[in-house]
Formats: sequence, C-alpha cells, structure tokens
Amino acid sequence: SQQGEEDPQALSIQEGENATMNCSYKTSINNLQWYRQNSGRGLVHLILIRSNEREKHSGRLRVTLDTSKKSSSLLITASRAADTASYFCATDVGANSKLTFGKGITLSVRP
Amino acid sequence: SQTIHQWPATLVQPVGSPLSLECTVEGTSNPNLYWYRQAAGRGLQLLFYSVGIGQISSEVPQNLSASRPQDRQFILSSKKLLLSDSGFYLCAWSIDTRAEKLFFGSGTQLSVL
Repeated sequence: SQQGEEDPQALSIQEGENATMNCSYKTSINNLQWYRQNSGRGLVHLILIRSNEREKHSGRLRVTLDTSKKSSSLLITASRAADTASYFCATDVGANSKLTFGKGITLSVRP
Repeated sequence: SQTIHQWPATLVQPVGSPLSLECTVEGTSNPNLYWYRQAAGRGLQLLFYSVGIGQISSEVPQNLSASRPQDRQFILSSKKLLLSDSGFYLCAWSIDTRAEKLFFGSGTQLSVL
C-alpha cells in the first residue's frame, strides 16, 4: 500500500498565486522529502524535513510537517509558469532508508 | 561534481525479448543505487536497491533482476519481457544508506509491445 498520498491529484492556478499541496502518510517516519518531476524527466530533490522539525523554508518553498496528523504540506509562493510539473512526497521509514513515494500532484501554472 | 547517466532514453521491445538498462554514476564512490519504475499516472515503485558491489535487495517479486558489477554501475535486466513491464524506469543514487537526498537519472521509457 502507498505510504505517502498527495492531495489534490491535480492543481491548476494562475501565475503569481500560491500553490499548496498536501501529503499524508501512514507510519512513523525519519524524514519526509518533496521532489519535482518535469514531464518525461527524472525527479529533482526540493526539500527535506526531519521528523523533529515543524517547518522549513527554501526560497519560494515552505514545507510543514505535523507528525501528530501524519501530514505535510508544500507551499510554493508567487508561482511561475516554470513551476508547472508533478510534485511527489517521499517518506523514509526504515533503517535501510528506502524512500517510498506517493502518486504525485500535477501542478499547472497558467501564464 | 557528481553525475548520473542512464540509457537508453526510450526503448520499444517485443514481448518475450530480453532487456538490459544501464546506469552509471560519476564523481562519487560507494553510492547507494536504486531502480524505480513509474507506471503512467502512478507513483514510483522501488524495484531494487544496492548498498555495494554484488549486493542487491529486491523489493517486489517480478520478471526483472538487477546487478551491480562495479561500484558505480547498476544494471536492470530481464530474460523475457512482459507487457506489464512497460513503464518509465528511473535509476537513482544517494550518498549513503540514509537516503536523505536521491539524485535521479533522466529515465528510460520502455514500451513492450
């Protein structure tokens, strides 16, 4: 079964708006990561948040983690057309550190 | 700097034919290596991972196998492809077993017809 589940499955916004994507997971984690994938390409690591952290920032990205609710959110502020991509959350649960990915969110930013 | 190479970019193979996808990493030593498969509209499924030469862990029983003949080389193989093997195959590496950041190759789109 899927460890991480992103929500919504698809999101369409206007350039300049903020995009919020959510991820829920089932078991305790060591850390949670967000990745971006442009169509037909490999994934690119965006940000990692550890289980003892609640919020992290990187440029226009803000990630929050609520371990009591087993959920995380990725906020992209002031979106740009170039942010159009699929976004995946990935959780690290075990000693052997195998990442488990969700199904992803397709973000479309209209110019 | 570290780079990861994965080839070919696209592949069309008939059912029952063999498969060999290769992935190499440059600029680092003893990386953790991973093979993922992404079906259309689906998330990534971990197929194999390796923590060292000759050490392969299989995550899902299937028609595929993996080998690591050299420190920075990871090969995905099949003796006889099935229709269900179609998908987007991604190789990735991480610095260590903590997998706190995976670096992905550009992927291979495999179509089995």
